[in-house]
Amino acid sequence: GAVVSQHPSWVICKSGTSVKIECRSLDFQATTMFWYRQFPKQSLMLMATSNEGSKATYEQGVEKDKFLINHASLTLSTLTVTSAHPEDSSFYICSAPSRQGDNSPLHFGNGTRLTVT
Amino acid sequence: QKEVEQDPGPLSVPEGAIVSLNCTYSNSAFQYFMWYRQYSRKGPELLMYTYSSGNKEDGRFTAQVDKSSKYISLFIRDSQPSDSATYLCAMKEAAGNKLTFGGGTRVLVKP
Repeated sequence: GAVVSQHPSWVICKSGTSVKIECRSLDFQATTMFWYRQFPKQSLMLMATSNEGSKATYEQGVEKDKFLINHASLTLSTLTVTSAHPEDSSFYICSAPSRQGDNSPLHFGNGTRLTVT
Repeated sequence: QKEVEQDPGPLSVPEGAIVSLNCTYSNSAFQYFMWYRQYSRKGPELLMYTYSSGNKEDGRFTAQVDKSSKYISLFIRDSQPSDSATYLCAMKEAAGNKLTFGGGTRVLVKP
């Protein structure tokens, strides 16, 4: 089945530093990937849509200069949290549709737990 | 009012019982419906993906969609302790891949 790999699974960083999270589609190509954020005991909130070869589309209220997204190839999207602060501590999860087209289900990575101290 | 409503639980059942989960939604444009299982500190795992109203069965799982009532359900038969997790319903419109999630229901299956 479709596999989405996310790295790292957890990271601790100091306030003010930047952290890069990678999302890879292992056995399929994804022109579009999605980045979600999840707070404890809450559901997933879509942050942005990553588009291969073009700019990401951010949801309302998400700072594009803080959450930099790059989708340089058909199998890799990266999310960089810049100048991280403790309030950025959260669970970040990426997803991708396993095939092109509007009726394809999304498959999720295992998430990255970010802790900013 | 949220677009997708889901009882947060927790829902506690004895091993072997049927687990019944449901979501209601308000957006009649939603056409595709999914159920995901999420274990603690893990990403969501796709369980069921449906489009039409009616039932879809896969092993111990049955997904039910009633578009006229804007109501979807997931049933888990012969529940096991390993089914203990948070179950998220998700849905999307016909165009695009943007999902709207319910808040998730935490399920605990007791041995």
